[in-house]
Amino acid sequence: DAGVIQSPRHEVTEMGQEVTLRCKPISGHDYLFWYRQTMMRGLELLIYFNNNVPIDDSGMPEDRFSAKMPNASFSTLKIQPSEPRDSAVYFCASSLAAGELFFGEGSRLTVL
Amino acid sequence: AQSVSQHNHHVILSEAASLELGCNYSYGGTVNLFWYVQYPGQHLQLLLKYFSGDPLVKGIKGFEAEFIKSKFSFNLRKPSVQWSDTAEYFCAVIPFSGGYNKLIFGAGTRLAVHP
Repeated sequence: DAGVIQSPRHEVTEMGQEVTLRCKPISGHDYLFWYRQTMMRGLELLIYFNNNVPIDDSGMPEDRFSAKMPNASFSTLKIQPSEPRDSAVYFCASSLAAGELFFGEGSRLTVL
Repeated sequence: AQSVSQHNHHVILSEAASLELGCNYSYGGTVNLFWYVQYPGQHLQLLLKYFSGDPLVKGIKGFEAEFIKSKFSFNLRKPSVQWSDTAEYFCAVIPFSGGYNKLIFGAGTRLAVHP
């Protein structure tokens, strides 16, 4: 299996621009997670889906952030408008039921 | 609220030294336990996991962890570290309380191993 695939790996954008991060989970996994990692706050769970349905989005920082999972093999995390404080590495992970999480390589976002 | 505590935020060791990283969780019921490792510039990878059975779990690269239910602990150990073990280590817990419960991560411990 190819593992969890994220794109882009690196994104540099200017404040106010829209950013879309993409994730393809491992085939057959029924849970998908979006995490954000920064030096200051560590690893934060933003939102997770079960069978394409958002279960808990309490970690989404504010309305500028939104996430969708239109089908079992694709999810997006969108930031609009982006701000410098959104600069971080965003990880997508997938799992089967309550098993271990498999993480993607991450998307490093820099907002100037 | 359920939480995971990793008491050491930064650990510095010399090669061949022994390692023990502490992890405690706050939940009295059934749990699944994990240690993840993140090498510099990379994503998190599973080091080892405990679901049930023998409380002493062997993982990759010579790591092991012991689940002590009475102490709510799942400490990570390695008898002799190498420079390549330099990484950040995350303890994580899934507490079961009906339905699906999300994985809760500790804050992480940064390990630096000096040659």
